[in-house]
Amino acid sequence: ELKVEQNPLFLSMQEGKNYTIYCNYSTTSDRLYWYRQDPGKSLESLFVLLSNGAVKQEGRLMASLDTKARLSTLHITAAVHDLSATYFCAVNTGGFKTIFGAGTRLFVKA
Amino acid sequence: NAGVTQTPKFQVLKTGQSMTLQCAQDMNHNSMYWYRQDPGMGLRLIYYSASEGTTDKGEVPNGYNVSRLNKREFSLRLESAAPSQTSVYFCASGGDHINNEQFFGPGTRLTVL
Repeated sequence: ELKVEQNPLFLSMQEGKNYTIYCNYSTTSDRLYWYRQDPGKSLESLFVLLSNGAVKQEGRLMASLDTKARLSTLHITAAVHDLSATYFCAVNTGGFKTIFGAGTRLFVKA
Repeated sequence: NAGVTQTPKFQVLKTGQSMTLQCAQDMNHNSMYWYRQDPGMGLRLIYYSASEGTTDKGEVPNGYNVSRLNKREFSLRLESAAPSQTSVYFCASGGDHINNEQFFGPGTRLTVL
């Protein structure tokens, strides 16, 4: 049974600092997705990673996938308050079932 | 394009009552999904439909039924609501089995008393 673990679950950081969120999963997969959720809102897609070594960047966020280590990272560069949100990774091992991590609640302090 | 729409936005039920949550998408996606979100637990898949005419169980299907009415619409029914079903329900539609990026509706906040 696929398990997806994120850490940390809560992150409070200063503006301008860098940090990394980790997503580990338990079975072989080369399909991983990152989503963002603002408080009280729905989820929006951030990154789609479909192969080993895939790297995607959007603004201050960069996501990567290492399928051998079963690990994806979401790196935040020079955080700003607007990045405050909950970030989810989700893994698909084939077919249409996608399993979500518990989410990382990020708070960026001015 | 409206994307993925859900109705209602809020609902309060008494234990034992039934209701149907509606979901529609206009992105011409084949696959559609129902999730529930509880605090600290991320999203859990209830049911999904890979294509029109098919439905399959997800992680937590007990107490729910679904209907894929056509390519656009996928409904979720609670036959006899229980307090444990208090949650936020999200519908999503997505791509295929290779790229399963999903697009989410605004959610339905359900409280069962």
